[in-house]
Amino acid sequence: QVQLVQSGSELKKPGASVKVSCKASGYTFTNYNMNWVRQAPGQGLEWMGWINVNTGNPTYVKGFTGRFVFSLDTSVSTAYLQISSLKAEDTAVYYCWTHDRPRGAFDIWGQGTMVTVSS
Amino acid sequence: EIVLTQSPGTLSLSLGERATLSCRASQSVSSNYLAWYQQKPGQAPRLLIYGASSRATGIPDRFSGSGSGTDFTLTLSRLEPEDFAVYYCQQYGSSLLTFGGGTKVEIK
Repeated sequence: QVQLVQSGSELKKPGASVKVSCKASGYTFTNYNMNWVRQAPGQGLEWMGWINVNTGNPTYVKGFTGRFVFSLDTSVSTAYLQISSLKAEDTAVYYCWTHDRPRGAFDIWGQGTMVTVSS
Repeated sequence: EIVLTQSPGTLSLSLGERATLSCRASQSVSSNYLAWYQQKPGQAPRLLIYGASSRATGIPDRFSGSGSGTDFTLTLSRLEPEDFAVYYCQQYGSSLLTFGGGTKVEIK
């Protein structure tokens, strides 16, 4: 079936880096761009930006520039989110999400990856 | 940036009651590109409505969306036990996609 499967929870110390993976299956990976969404504990959803799955060109929303990097490995239908110089405020669930907007009917989310930053 | 304001923050209702959730945009949403999501604890968001009023695949008809421009509404006609959750609106009419802050529907 169509799904996005993300890597497991991570516990990191401040200043470290983390790389979250998101593997797509059940559809043609290069048909739909990949987005990333953050949800801090008890908070709402924040769109971080997206990556063009054909060109690899990323677009970052303000507030997610510099330490955040979106990347791809199309040979294994996988998208990645890397966060460097981790801070306590990066503690959150990170979701990968793909869709066919504006058509709208295709809308697939990963199960989420909890990243905890604590000393 | 289009700011989406959802109200109320929390809605306390009983099974079988009607729920009306509001999403107001700071400026007009192009082509009424407004979606609604449901999120339960520990789960990813689930698309309910797109294009302001089109139900996503497999969504029961007790969920309906309406509105245009800056004012949008999600209506749950008769609350079922599985409907108690947090609901988010999202606009995708601009290049900067944004979410509302959410409305929690809880059991009274």
